[in-house]
Amino acid sequence: NAGVTQTPKFRILKIGQSMTLQCTQDMNHNYMYWYRQDPGMGLKLIYYSVGAGITDKGEVPNGYNVSRSTTEDFPLRLELAAPSQTSVYFCASRGGGYGYTFGSGTRLTVV
Amino acid sequence: KQEVTQIPAALSVPEGENLVLNCSFTDSAIYNLQWFRQDPGKGLTSLLLIQSSQREQTSGRLNASLDKSSGRSTLYIAASQPGDSATYLCAGHTGANSKLTFGKGITLSVRP
Repeated sequence: NAGVTQTPKFRILKIGQSMTLQCTQDMNHNYMYWYRQDPGMGLKLIYYSVGAGITDKGEVPNGYNVSRSTTEDFPLRLELAAPSQTSVYFCASRGGGYGYTFGSGTRLTVV
Repeated sequence: KQEVTQIPAALSVPEGENLVLNCSFTDSAIYNLQWFRQDPGKGLTSLLLIQSSQREQTSGRLNASLDKSSGRSTLYIAASQPGDSATYLCAGHTGANSKLTFGKGITLSVRP
């Protein structure tokens, strides 16, 4: 039972580069979320999805894009990386209840 | 807009002490509240979920309470152990289809 899998675990990007953070869950959860966590701060919601083909913005969506073509996958795309996007990114999912499963995170540094 | 506050940001206690972690929220129409644990460099693990119709939940040495009228939740840890050292975050849903709003967390250190 893998739960929520995020790849890569670490990445260093140069300013202006782009990348995709991958997130896959094997629990058939409809709801999936992307959060970012900055040092000493709580988690801020970037984007979320309530099912395949449906996505919506969270609190801090600027500079990011998402897609949800399948129930299992919810990739997060960073276009034109900026130092302000240096953070730890967490993907999470939940089913019909409110029990969340989080991935182990992707630590991104933009230099 | 729901705001969740956790004070203090850090706490250090000797092993064996019973302790309470506090969480306050601004919107008393909270739908449910959860407590998570985060170990350094790791993701979040759900500890306890309290629905708005409940007043508390228990799991082992952990007990979480919810008082909607006062806008407070507490996480009680009995007989603390060094393995309890982690960051504890509380988060709430304002409605059935709303998103989680997180506090900044309390970093707990339990000294042997």
